[in-house]
Formats: sequence, C-alpha cells, structure tokens
Amino acid sequence: DAGVTQSPTHLIKTRGQQVTLRCSPKSGHDTVSWYQQALGQGPQFIFQYYEEEERQRGNFPDRFSGHQFPNYSSELNVNALLLGDSALYLCASTQDTTLFYGYTFGSGTRLTVV
Amino acid sequence: RKEVEQDPGPFNVPEGATVAFNCTYSNSASQSFFWYRQDCRKEPKLLMSVYSSGNEDGRFTAQLNRASQYISLLIRDSKLSDSATYLCAVNGNNDMRFGAGTRLTVKP
Repeated sequence: DAGVTQSPTHLIKTRGQQVTLRCSPKSGHDTVSWYQQALGQGPQFIFQYYEEEERQRGNFPDRFSGHQFPNYSSELNVNALLLGDSALYLCASTQDTTLFYGYTFGSGTRLTVV
Repeated sequence: RKEVEQDPGPFNVPEGATVAFNCTYSNSASQSFFWYRQDCRKEPKLLMSVYSSGNEDGRFTAQLNRASQYISLLIRDSKLSDSATYLCAVNGNNDMRFGAGTRLTVKP
C-alpha cells in the first residue's frame, strides 16, 4: 500500500520563477494539506484541500496556490519565487477531516531558490 | 503567542535516561493532539496520538492537560535510536498546527 508520494524530490529554481509540486495521497485518503518547513523550524500550514476545494488556509500570500483533482491528488503552485521560499514542502493526507487520526506525510520536495 | 509552543531544547541525554518534553497550545477548542518524530532531512512520522486519559506505548507515555492546555511526552530508558526531533501537533479549525520541534540527542 503506497503511502503519500511527492514529486519531484529536489528542485532548484531561480528567483522570480514559478514552481509546481505534486502529491498523491495515501490510498483511501481524501484530504490533503501542504506544509512548508524551513530549516530548523516546524512545519507551517499552507492550506488544506477536500472535495477539490480549499477548506483552510494558513498565513501564506496569494503567490501560494493549490489544486485538488477528482482522484484526490494535489498540486502546490508558487509564483514569483523568493529566496525565502527555499524549504522542504511536505504534503500530508488523511481519511478523516476531523484529523482524529492525524496526518500521514510524504517525504517532501526540497526546493532551493537561487 | 504562537499557536503551539515547545521546549526549545536541544536535549542531550545519556542512554538509559528518562526525558520529558512539554508543549503548550493556545486554541482551547482543539480536539486532537499528537507527537510526531522527525529524523534529519526526513518527513515527520506519527509517534503517538495523545488521549485525554493519557496513553502509553512501550517506553513512551503521552499526557494531555486540557485545563492548562499542554501535552507532554515522556521517554523512558532512552536509546541511541531515539535521537530525533520531536514535534507536537494540535488540530485547530480543520487543520493541524505544529510546534517548532525539540531536538533530542541520546549519547552512549
């Protein structure tokens, strides 16, 4: 049973460019959230998707956008990249929108903006 | 005040020691609480959920104090393999917020 899969694993982009990160949730999971984790920090909540809609959003600018597809997979898009966007981007999924069971995380995409 | 705050650490302990981590949260409506373990440059992995009555899993014990809005994790008989960053997580308004993590190093 595949867990949460993310692609790509590593990415280097230039400041000002745009990037798209992809996530396939664990089988049976329909809720996907994205987190940004800077070095030495805890994961910061970006947004959550359920039924192809953004349900909750953290304190991130509109440069961060997302999408969820009918098969529950999700994309995170970041426009006009800044050096400060360099981080590990984690996708997490769950089968329960109340989060009673917690999240399962993917191994992340490490984004470096130069 | 941050939504979830943890002991800043780091904790450096010898093998066999008992170590405790605390975490406070600000949202009194939170219903679910967790401890995650994160190894260097890896994803967080669920260590245990934290129930109102407290729960134990081998050498690990988690407790919740709703009145004071904090959760704790106790690790007994520390092993070298316990070295990692421990993240507490609290659900809020249909999302989950994490603390900054506490780094534990267990030394021989």
